[in-house]
Amino acid sequence: TQLLEQSPQFLSIQEGENLTVYCNSSSVFSSLQWYRQEPGEGPVLLVTVVTGGEVKKLKRLTFQFGDARKDSSLHITAAQPGDTGLYLCNHEKLTFGTGTRLTIIP
Amino acid sequence: NAGVTQTPKFQVLKTGQSMTLQCAQDMNHNSMYWYRQDPGMGLRLIYYSASEGTTDKGEVPNGYNVSRLNKREFSLRLESAAPSQTSVYFCASTPTASQGEKLFFGSGTQLSVL
Repeated sequence: TQLLEQSPQFLSIQEGENLTVYCNSSSVFSSLQWYRQEPGEGPVLLVTVVTGGEVKKLKRLTFQFGDARKDSSLHITAAQPGDTGLYLCNHEKLTFGTGTRLTIIP
Repeated sequence: NAGVTQTPKFQVLKTGQSMTLQCAQDMNHNSMYWYRQDPGMGLRLIYYSASEGTTDKGEVPNGYNVSRLNKREFSLRLESAAPSQTSVYFCASTPTASQGEKLFFGSGTQLSVL
């Protein structure tokens, strides 16, 4: 089982600021998914990345897959209160990262 | 479409009691999964069923059993609950077990074992 480490564990920033969160492993991923989970709900898929070096954009969210496919990042531009939640990376449905709990302060 | 439905939403047990968590999906998905999420943590896989008639252990299977009753339903049983099993339990499904498939989650069962 691959261990997925996410950083930071907690992040609290003001509305309008930019932020980046990370997902890292010592092993190579075949693919990686990012999910967002809101309180009392199950996680919801944001994106799947498959190719090393791949960049995908979802409105203000930019996802990058490392060239060596061992790491991934999620960058949010001009954060909004609706971005608040727990961000989780996942490999092949079997392993979830430890999560980044993001709070955007209005 | 209901998607993935879990019952109950909340449950309190005493140590040693048994119970079954129910999960059903109406999306004709082949693969189903049970995860647990402890406070402030990510999800850990308990068991999964890649297809009807098969089940496999995940990262934390001890103390649990599962039954893939049919294509729609995948239940999780705690035979003798322990306080360490206090957690939120999520069921999920995917069309297949293939790489990159999206997980569809239920809304969770919050279980407390006293």
